[in-house]
Amino acid sequence: GENVEQHPSTLSVQEGDSAVIKCTYSDSASNYFPWYKQELGKRPQLIIDIRSNVGEKKDQRIAVTLNKTAKHFSLHITETQPEDSAVYFCAASRRGSTLGRLYFGRGTQLTVWP
Amino acid sequence: NAGVTQTPKFRVLKTGQSMTLLCAQDMNHEYMYWYRQDPGMGLRLIHYSVGEGTTAKGEVPDGYNVSRLKKQNFLLGLESAAPSQTSVYFCASSYSSSGRAGLIEQFFGPGTRLTVL
Repeated sequence: GENVEQHPSTLSVQEGDSAVIKCTYSDSASNYFPWYKQELGKRPQLIIDIRSNVGEKKDQRIAVTLNKTAKHFSLHITETQPEDSAVYFCAASRRGSTLGRLYFGRGTQLTVWP
Repeated sequence: NAGVTQTPKFRVLKTGQSMTLLCAQDMNHEYMYWYRQDPGMGLRLIHYSVGEGTTAKGEVPDGYNVSRLKKQNFLLGLESAAPSQTSVYFCASSYSSSGRAGLIEQFFGPGTRLTVL
């Protein structure tokens, strides 16, 4: 099955700085890579996703990049704010398969200091 | 539209007791999932269902059973609880990945915090 590894496990940045979280995957058939954000005591929620026919996707201050050859993808948050503090999970899946299963990384605890 | 709901929110069990966690969704999703979340371990899939009456094992199924008698409900059972099952349990649901142009966003419930003494 798919194996997703995520680094770093914790990340502290100063407000206004950028944050980058990286994930690697093992199954070359994976073609869908979402990112979920989980605030303290809350449920995970999708913040951005990318499909394997796209190299980069942006949504305001967040962006995701994908390198299919190297089998890694990254989340970039610019101009970080205290409300960005949360646990971020990357995941991989085969879109179009009958399973719809997501394989999650172990998460990154991002802390943004004011 | 309540989305995904879970019952109960909190529960404390003694070793050997049994209980059932209920997940309900009102989005007409085909797929439903049960995860457990432990510190540093991320979200690990326990069991999942791709439709009413069908279930399948995930990554960590031992000690749990599930049932999907109705499309909108997915039950997770612990027959004989153990301290190792102390965790936060999340239910999630999604559309079929083969339809809706690949919209397989998973919508999560609020979680159930379970402590087994």
